[in-house]
Amino acid sequence: DQQVKQNSPSLSVQEGRISILNCDYTNSMFDYFLWYKKYPAEGPTFLISISSIKDKNEDGRFTVFLNKSAKHLSLHIVPSQPGDSAVYFCAAQAGTALIFGKGTTLSVSS
Amino acid sequence: ETGVTQTPRHLVMGMTNKKSLKCEQHLGHNAMYWYKQSAKKPLELMFVYSLEERVENNSVPSRFSPECPNSSHLFLHLHTLQPEDSALYLCASSQDPGPRETQYFGPGTRLLVL
Repeated sequence: DQQVKQNSPSLSVQEGRISILNCDYTNSMFDYFLWYKKYPAEGPTFLISISSIKDKNEDGRFTVFLNKSAKHLSLHIVPSQPGDSAVYFCAAQAGTALIFGKGTTLSVSS
Repeated sequence: ETGVTQTPRHLVMGMTNKKSLKCEQHLGHNAMYWYKQSAKKPLELMFVYSLEERVENNSVPSRFSPECPNSSHLFLHLHTLQPEDSALYLCASSQDPGPRETQYFGPGTRLLVL
């Protein structure tokens, strides 16, 4: 059974608007979460992370929110740009391993 | 070269072949990882190495054999694979293997087993 779930396989947003990507997890022992971005023919690149002692972490246009009681996190991108079009993976750290979701493909149109 | 590199980028092999995937990291990291991504599945961790010692093996079949000759290089030796082993194989590295360590990924090797 999947421990990290990204239930929306795809999301389309207009340039300049907000993109919200969602992620749910099942294991309450997870205490560190990451978002990776992947372009075609490239490996995933680290985007932003959050520890369970926080409920928000911001880095430029990217903000990650964590709701521990709901076991839910979200990535907000504002304003969205066409170069943000990629697959976004949510991951939870469990020891040395990263447990990944299946990814959400974001398309930002100009 | 910078970051994490992987060769070859694409590989087609028969079930009786033996081949190897190579990963090299230029980041001075101490930990290296192999991940597998099958179609419509999330990335799955296969192996973790720390300072050339294997620290984790996620119940991977013995037809996959990792080798870490030094902290910069990681190999995945493949033999008698099955068609269901066709997938994207990603290598990653981090400063150390512990939690809170950001992992940096290579571009992957797309493997097709016929």
